[in-house]
Amino acid sequence: EAGVTQSPTHLIKTRGQQATLRCSPISGHTSVYWYQQALGLGLQFLLWYDEGEERNRGNFPPRFSGRQFPNYSSELNVNALELEDSALYLCASSPGPGSGANVLTFGAGSRLTVL
Amino acid sequence: SQELEQSPQSLIVQEGKNLTINCTSSKTLYGLYWYKQKYGEGLIFLMMLQKGGEEKSHEKITAKLDEKKQQSSLHITASQPSHAGIYLCGADMDSSYKLIFGSGTRLLVRP
Repeated sequence: EAGVTQSPTHLIKTRGQQATLRCSPISGHTSVYWYQQALGLGLQFLLWYDEGEERNRGNFPPRFSGRQFPNYSSELNVNALELEDSALYLCASSPGPGSGANVLTFGAGSRLTVL
Repeated sequence: SQELEQSPQSLIVQEGKNLTINCTSSKTLYGLYWYKQKYGEGLIFLMMLQKGGEEKSHEKITAKLDEKKQQSSLHITASQPSHAGIYLCGADMDSSYKLIFGSGTRLLVRP
């Protein structure tokens, strides 16, 4: 069974540009989570999608947005990139609420560098 | 996150030694999860604890949940270089299915 896959593995952008990161969850999982792991800041919750809807959002500006597609894959968009957006972006999936324990399975991450 | 405090922040031990990592919550826990991360990679799920007093073990790693203290501990027995990495605790703080993570404990095991 394929795990959570993320693309691209690495992405280099300049300030002001837009970045799009993609995530495919484990087959059967309806929930997708996005986290940002910047140097020295730990793992920060960004967004949670389930069944195509945004369920929860972390303390990030509106230029961080995303969506979940009918096949449960997801993309994260970061507009007007700033230097401090440089980080490892991790996607995770889970069976969804109501399924009991909410064990997240993580992808390997997409490393975004903003120059 | 300040809602979940991990200690110590980093740890260097000699191979074969035992060690303990702690995770303390400022709020009631609705599930406590332990993950391990290799540097710059994704997180690997280790264990989940849901009930006060619950204790789980996998190979040489044991995790306990003290519900009253809102604290969990992760104990590694006879550490090996393969145990090196960043250990993170995560918790559902308000039963919202949103996992918040501690800042992590960096473990280095010297051969």
